[in-house]
Amino acid sequence: EAGVTQFPSHSVIEKGQTVTLRCDPISGHDNLYWYRRVMGKEIKFLLHFVKESKQDESGMPNNRFLAERTGGTYSTLKVQPAELEDSGVYFCASSQVGHSNTEAFFGQGTRLTVV
Amino acid sequence: EDQVTQSPEALRLQEGESSSLNCSYTVSGLRGLFWYRQDPGKGPEFLFTLYSAGEEKEKERLKATLTKKESFLHITAPKPEDSATYLCAVRSSGTASKLTFGTGTRLQVTL
Repeated sequence: EAGVTQFPSHSVIEKGQTVTLRCDPISGHDNLYWYRRVMGKEIKFLLHFVKESKQDESGMPNNRFLAERTGGTYSTLKVQPAELEDSGVYFCASSQVGHSNTEAFFGQGTRLTVV
Repeated sequence: EDQVTQSPEALRLQEGESSSLNCSYTVSGLRGLFWYRQDPGKGPEFLFTLYSAGEEKEKERLKATLTKKESFLHITAPKPEDSATYLCAVRSSGTASKLTFGTGTRLQVTL
């Protein structure tokens, strides 16, 4: 079974540019999460989709971040315009709905560097 | 607000030298405490979920335990391949299904 897949694995962009990160969850997982780890800090929650609906977006830093999950399959996270403080590793995770042991499976992450 | 504190920040062990990692937490209604292992350049890999005080789970050389305030990850006779960052996270009734992570413990096991 394929795991959670994220594209690209690395991205280096200039301040002010736009970047789009993609996440393909495990097939059949309705829950999809975005997390971020900035240098030296803990992994922090950004938002949570259930299928195509945003369940919780309380962790989104500001309106420069836009997440979508059209059709309830893959998700994209767009940063526009990017700022230096957006640098970090962005993780996507997915899990099943309706199971008692709903551990989340993580992708390998996208390392974003804004210069 | 949910909080997770892990200690030590880093730990260096010799092969076969057993030890424990600590995860202290403060949550409004625990709905799960999770341990993950993370290797460099990779995403967190799920190890265990604990739900109630007194619960224990084991996997190879790892054993996780839970009290009302903290969790321990015991590593028995570690091997170099156990070297990784170990992350603790909690899910609470006040935060739906999102995870709140600690900063992790970097474990290095040497020959």
